[in-house]
Amino acid sequence: NAGVTQTPKFQVLKTGQSMTLQCAQDMNHEYMSWYRQDPGMGLRLIHYSVGAGITDQGEVPNGYNVSRSTTEDFPLRLLSAAPSQTSVYFCASSPPPGQGSRGYTFGSGTRLTVV
Amino acid sequence: AQSVTQLGSHVSVSEGALVLLRCNYSSSVPPYLFWYVQYPNQGLQLLLKYTTGATLVKGINGFEAEFKKSETSFHLTKPSAHMSDAAEYFCAVSDRGGAQKLVFGQGTRLTINP
Repeated sequence: NAGVTQTPKFQVLKTGQSMTLQCAQDMNHEYMSWYRQDPGMGLRLIHYSVGAGITDQGEVPNGYNVSRSTTEDFPLRLLSAAPSQTSVYFCASSPPPGQGSRGYTFGSGTRLTVV
Repeated sequence: AQSVTQLGSHVSVSEGALVLLRCNYSSSVPPYLFWYVQYPNQGLQLLLKYTTGATLVKGINGFEAEFKKSETSFHLTKPSAHMSDAAEYFCAVSDRGGAQKLVFGQGTRLTINP
């Protein structure tokens, strides 16, 4: 059971480039989220999804797009990278409330640097 | 809107001493409460959670936390610190329903002195 898998682990982009951060989970969780972690600010929610075909914005959505075509995958797209998007990105998944509120399971993160 | 405040961005204790990491939350209704731990260059691991029932919650690695509704607090404790406890700790809250979006505190880095 792999849990939540994020790829790549490290990435360097030039300003203006685009890329997709991949996230896949094999626990059949309906809920998935993307967070960014910056020093002294904890983790902040970028986008989230409560099921295939359903996504919504979190606290810091600007500059990011998401889609959820399957239960397993929740990619995060940076359309035009900016230095302010230098951060560590975490994907997380969870079953919905009716299945026990076990809390989110996190991936190991993608460390992104935009130069 | 929910918010979480962790008192102290950096806590340092001696090996064998009591660990106390403070967390206060702001929410219109009692939320779900979580503590996560992050070891260097790793993701977040769930230490413990409070959803309902007993207000003293025991987690992994000897940690526990007590939900105090009157104080809107969920402080994390461990009676005797071990060198392996050195990590960053995050308190988080979420709604009881809906999308259960997590709102995190800013984190507390725990250092253990030999």
